[in-house]
Amino acid sequence: QKEVEQDPGPLSVPEGAIVSLNCTYSNSAFQYFMWYRQYSRKGPELLMYTYSSGNKEDGRFTAQVDKSSKYISLFIRDSQPSDSATYLCALRAGNSGYALNFGKGTSLLVTP
Amino acid sequence: GAVVSQHPSWVICKSGTSVKIECRSLDFQATTMFWYRQFPKQSLMLMATSNEGSKATYEQGVEKDKFLINHASLTLSTLTVTSAHPEDSSFYICSAGRQGAFSEQYFGPGTRLTVT
Repeated sequence: QKEVEQDPGPLSVPEGAIVSLNCTYSNSAFQYFMWYRQYSRKGPELLMYTYSSGNKEDGRFTAQVDKSSKYISLFIRDSQPSDSATYLCALRAGNSGYALNFGKGTSLLVTP
Repeated sequence: GAVVSQHPSWVICKSGTSVKIECRSLDFQATTMFWYRQFPKQSLMLMATSNEGSKATYEQGVEKDKFLINHASLTLSTLTVTSAHPEDSSFYICSAGRQGAFSEQYFGPGTRLTVT
């Protein structure tokens, strides 16, 4: 079993929809949770990070962490075609320096 | 802030030749840099971690004599793919770690390598 599981999709939604992207993990040592957005043939861009259970909001994006269930989510409200990209969750243990454990990434397509 | 650049963005080379890829942190010092490889529709695979002034730490299965990593300064790391073969064709991405309240990795734009 991989430490971080993420459904690769693809996920196709109409413009304006609410998008829910999820990852599950198995290692309780993970304490930091990040979401990266990667456009085709580009490097990943850090979208959001959090280190506690609960919600963190930034504009149209909300990151949610449930440590008890080992489940993290990224919600995108009022999705736009420009949100079409691959979204990767990345998790880090507290004592691992910078080392990240990535999910496979979910490919999202927002259609006009 | 926290901009990481890579050069070149795209390179084609012939089988058997070597290719060097540069990764620079433009507005911060990075004691730790990472090199990833990404195949189409796959996630990032960590190849190695490099710390300034010391030897890189390679992940299991990555040939250190084939993928030479040098991290000679706090803003520059290089990856040299030696004796490249078509199966080395991939998207190579570097990232730089920036210390702070939350130690973050900032990624470069990637380098697409095609070996013919």
